[in-house]
Amino acid sequence: EAQVTQNPRYLITVTGKKLTVTCSQNMNHEYMSWYRQDPGLGLRQIYYSMNVEVTDKGDVPEGYKVSRKEKRNFPLILESPSPNQTSLYFCASSTRSGSDTQYFGPGTRLTVL
Amino acid sequence: GNSVTQMEGPVTLSEEAFLTINCTYTATGYPSLFWYVQYPGEGLQLLLKATKADDKGSNKGFEATYRKETTSFHLEKGSVQVSDSAVYFCALGGSQGNLIFGKGTKLSVKP
Repeated sequence: EAQVTQNPRYLITVTGKKLTVTCSQNMNHEYMSWYRQDPGLGLRQIYYSMNVEVTDKGDVPEGYKVSRKEKRNFPLILESPSPNQTSLYFCASSTRSGSDTQYFGPGTRLTVL
Repeated sequence: GNSVTQMEGPVTLSEEAFLTINCTYTATGYPSLFWYVQYPGEGLQLLLKATKADDKGSNKGFEATYRKETTSFHLEKGSVQVSDSAVYFCALGGSQGNLIFGKGTKLSVKP
């Protein structure tokens, strides 16, 4: 089954404790990205990757890091989480461009205390 | 820059009512337009899309037409069901492969 998986689905952590949210897709997609969803703000892009070893900032990259060492994986790293990063995070993938359908993971609900 | 504006919710309808959720956009060029739906506790999934002017996207009884002259992509359904209760997002395809989303419209359908 074609899918995007994220782990963990739920995470409660404390300020400053490094964490990684994993994302994996099995559709051989070149393009992957991370979004955060906040009430009243919709979804905003954090980082994206056009291909392996190619990553770039989205609209709200501050406080996040990403890596793309393999085509299927695109982890999101919070080196020192803060409460304002409490949010619902979605990973997405697509074949290549803005005209293509993006496939979303189920989401990771992160709470930073 | 590119942006999407959609009607704010929440929208509450009775079963079998007609649905319209307005969406307008600002963009350079002619981006692809999308409607995504998010059911409670789930991720987003594509509902329909249109890639050029005058295209009509349709799926599950929902329709939207890409109107270049009014820069709009309104979502419509003739008869909603309780199972249509969800949050609906209008989006346009950005030049960097990203999606630019509206803020979402929550729809609740009562039996």
